[in-house]
Amino acid sequence: EAQVTQNPRYLITVTGKKLTVTCSQNMNHEYMSWYRQDPGLGLRQIYYSMNVEVTDKGDVPEGYKVSRKEKRNFPLILESPSPNQTSLYFCASSGYRGQGYGYTFGSGTRLTVV
Amino acid sequence: TQLLEQSPQFLSIQEGENLTVYCNSSSVFSSLQWYRQEPGEGPVLLVTVVTGGEVKKLKRLTFQFGDARKDSSLHITAAQPGDTGLYLCAGEANDMRFGAGTRLTVKP
Repeated sequence: EAQVTQNPRYLITVTGKKLTVTCSQNMNHEYMSWYRQDPGLGLRQIYYSMNVEVTDKGDVPEGYKVSRKEKRNFPLILESPSPNQTSLYFCASSGYRGQGYGYTFGSGTRLTVV
Repeated sequence: TQLLEQSPQFLSIQEGENLTVYCNSSSVFSSLQWYRQEPGEGPVLLVTVVTGGEVKKLKRLTFQFGDARKDSSLHITAAQPGDTGLYLCAGEANDMRFGAGTRLTVKP
């Protein structure tokens, strides 16, 4: 089954404790992206990657890091999480960015930073 | 700042009613997509429209892209409880921008 897999689904952590949210896709997609979803603000892009070893900032990159060492994986790293990073996070992938093809989203990671 | 404005923000109707939700922007998009998101899950793509004035139908759902490719509408005929969810529009230009969504509740 074609899918984007995120882990964990739920995470509660403390301020300042480094964490990584993993994202993996099995569709050989070149484009991958991370979003956060907050009430009333919709989906805001954190980082995206057009291909292996190519990453770029989205609208809200502060406090986050990403890497794209393999085509299938695109982990999101929070080096020192803070309470304002409490949110619902989604990873998405697409085969042909900019040509009207849709995104396939993961099921989400609900992060709470206390 | 939301580049895509969706209205209404919330909509609660009875089963069998018709409804229309809107997605508006001052920007021109090369394509526009509609997604539906259910609680606890990621958005799922419903349709992509790419040509100004284009109309696409998906069973009881009708999607229209504005002539100027700045806006879109989603019309649902004879809504059912299974249509309940958050409907998101997304416009693609240099990047992909999402609206905040319309939360639809269809009561049996």
